[in-house]
This record gives sequence, C-alpha cells and structure tokens, in this order.
Amino acid sequence: NAGVTQTPKFRVLKTGQSMTLLCAQDMNHEYMYWYRQDPGMGLRLIHYSVGEGTTAKGEVPDGYNVSRLKKQNFLLGLESAAPSQTSVYFCASSSLSSGGEGEQFFGPGTRLTVL
Amino acid sequence: GQQVMQIPQYQHVQEGEDFTTYCNSSTTLSNIQWYKQRPGGHPVFLIQLVKSGEVKKQKRLTFQFGEAKKNSSLHITATQTTDVGTYFCAGLGYSTLTFGKGTMLLVSP
Repeated sequence: NAGVTQTPKFRVLKTGQSMTLLCAQDMNHEYMYWYRQDPGMGLRLIHYSVGEGTTAKGEVPDGYNVSRLKKQNFLLGLESAAPSQTSVYFCASSSLSSGGEGEQFFGPGTRLTVL
Repeated sequence: GQQVMQIPQYQHVQEGEDFTTYCNSSTTLSNIQWYKQRPGGHPVFLIQLVKSGEVKKQKRLTFQFGEAKKNSSLHITATQTTDVGTYFCAGLGYSTLTFGKGTMLLVSP
C-alpha cells in the first residue's frame, strides 16, 4: 500500500495564479484533512472531510477550496494565490471505525512558494 | 475555540540526558495523540491516550494523560541522536484534532 500520497511535491506560483493540490489514500479511510505548516506555527487545519461528497472548514479556510468527489481523493484548491499562502501543505487521513479519533496518517507534504 | 499549548518550543540536550515536553489544553479532551516529525519529514503517529490518568510506555518514551484530561506529557529517558525531531501533541475536543505548536528536540552526541 502506498498510504497517503500528495501531488506535486514542490510548486512555485506567482501571485494571483491558481492551482490544485491532490491527495490520494489507498486505506479506505473516511476522514481526510488538509493542514498547512508554517515555522513556529505547528499544524493548522484548513479543511476536512468526513466522507465522500462532504467537506467542512477548519481553523484557516480563507483563500482555499476543497472537493471530495471520490472517497480516496481530497483536492485542495487555491483560487488566487497570495504570498501568505507560502507554506508546506500536508494531507492526512484517518479511519471511520475509530470515529475519526484514531491516528492520522500523513502524506509527504507539498512545499508551495508564492512569489 | 480550543487551544492546545505546548512547552518548551525548543530544547537542546546532550545525548544521554532526559527530555520532557508538556501539553496543555484550554478545554477537556476526549483523547490526546502524540506525533513525531523528523527534519524534512511528515508527522508520524506515536500514541493515543484516552483515559484520565493514563500512562503508556514505548521503550524509552513515557506518555501521560492528566487526571482532568486537559494536559499531557512526553518524557524521553536517555535521549539518543535518533530522537531528534519535533514532537507534537494533538488534542481531540468536540470535532477535529487541534495540534500544539510542537517542541523541537536537538540531541548532540
């Protein structure tokens, strides 16, 4: 099993450009999450999904949109990138059997720079 | 909203010394999880504590969950250079996990 994979690994954008980050998991997990990690700030939740077709806002949702059209995929979109969105983005998933309270499996991350 | 505070932010120890990081929540938690992130890597789950006063051990690592389920600690006995990384606690309140800002551990040989 590949676990949680993220595409791309690195990306450089100009201000105002848009892009989509893809997260895929092969563990049949119900719950999926998008976090951003900035120096000294820990992991902050952007959006999450508790199942196919459902999404919810996390702590820092502004400037991002998400979609969960398939259970195994969770997409994070930046509509108009800003330098403040320069960060490392992590996707994670967890199983429904633990009520979303179980361990989260993280992908390798996407390092995004917005110039 | 729920806040999870973690101290210290950073600690540098000599190999063989002990290390402790502390986590405090503004609200009562359903459970608390601990993760380790190596430099340049992604967070990896270490353990989950659920019961009030729970203590769990993994080799040289000891995890505790407070009686009030609002605080937790991770203690490493006799650190090794392989322990280098950032340790995060994450508390589950009403909905999703809230991560602390982490404690970065540096171990000198």
